Order: sequence, then C-alpha cells, then structure tokens
Amino acid sequence: GESVGLHLPTLSVQEGDNSIINCAYSNSASDYFIWYKQESGKGPQFIIDIRSNMDKRQGQRVTVLLNKTVKHLSLQIAATQPGDSAVYFCAEMGMDSSYKLIFGSGTRLLVRP
Amino acid sequence: GAVVSQHPSWVICKSGTSVKIECRSLDFQATTMFWYRQFPKQSLMLMATSNEGSKATYEQGVEKDKFLINHASLTLSTLTVTSAHPEDSSFYICSARDKGFIPGELFFGEGSRLTVL
Repeated sequence: GESVGLHLPTLSVQEGDNSIINCAYSNSASDYFIWYKQESGKGPQFIIDIRSNMDKRQGQRVTVLLNKTVKHLSLQIAATQPGDSAVYFCAEMGMDSSYKLIFGSGTRLLVRP
Repeated sequence: GAVVSQHPSWVICKSGTSVKIECRSLDFQATTMFWYRQFPKQSLMLMATSNEGSKATYEQGVEKDKFLINHASLTLSTLTVTSAHPEDSSFYICSARDKGFIPGELFFGEGSRLTVL
C-alpha cells in the first residue's frame, strides 16, 4: 500500500500561541490537498482543504499554505487551544480516475496549558 | 454532515479466524469507498479502493486474498480479514465518497480496532 513516512514527530506549543505544522507531499501531479485532525482511537476529521490553483486558504483559526514549487504544505493554527491536541495529517489527491487520497506522515501537536 | 459508520468499533479474535468489518454510509450513497490501515504512531495507509458493483482495486503489496472487500450496495462495503494473524492487528478505517461527489469530499468512519491473539 501507499504510505508516506513511518514516524510521528511532535510539536509542543504553549496554549494561546500559534502553531505551524508542515508537510511534504509526494506527487507533483496532486491537485487537491486536505488537512485532517485525528484524536486517539478515532477516524480523521476534516479541517481545511486547498486546491492546487491556490496558495493560501483561511478558515476559522486555521490557514493552509501551499507551495507547489517545493511540494510543501503547512497548517497554521492561531491561538492554539488544549482541544487542538491531536495528530495532524496532510493528504493529497490526484485528479486521475481513482481520486485516491494518500496521507502524509503526520505530526502530533501537544498543547501545554 | 455526512456520516460513515463502521462496525464493530473493536474486535478481538483468535489467530486463524476471519473477521468482517462493515462500513456504511448512513445518509448518502457511496459509489466509492476506501479502506485504510493504521498501525500505532503511524499514518493511514491506503489498502484498497472499493467500487460498488465491481471488484476492489488493491494497492501494491496488499494481499487481495487476505483482505476481501465487497461493495454490494451503494451504502455498504465490507472488509474481511481472512485467517487473521497477530501482525494483522491494526486500526482499520474506511472512507466514503458521495455519489454526487465534489473531488475530495470524503467522509471517514470512526475506525475498527482489530486485535488478533
């Protein structure tokens, strides 16, 4: 099966600070990107998405940045809260007939009170 | 939002037995469902794409005879782990795409944790 990365790096931030989580994606032909949040023992939860024709998209307290030149995505979380503690995955999708979603390696976010 | 339900949420079985996991789209029709496997502290790994009314498409390295996928209706896909062994212990997660999909509109189940003794 396809997989990108086998380890989960950890980002520890103070409550109230901004968090930046980075992701390198693998396929330059990918056209659609999504950030997911996963809490322990649960399925992924959609956070925000961005298409390849954009370089920035903002949601509520979250911003996704896309740099296609270096195949890099980032998720910025403003005013990080304890409830933001989770594992965050980026995922990429190509616009071929399968529309498969392939997940990146993930980052564990720990929010210190 | 759309809901995808998985059952069972957890299961313990003896080595050599087979286990079936169900994935249901509760309020939409899903022509395509995806099955993922996730080991502890790792990412989700795509196992196969399940298409309603046709054979599943397996990712490289995934044994189709071991992981049987059936997508007999627009709201149900099943994953059967045949002759399970301890190394098959994992968190299995399905996702479903709405029939009238917008690319990327995937909804995930809550996962099924399989422990093989």
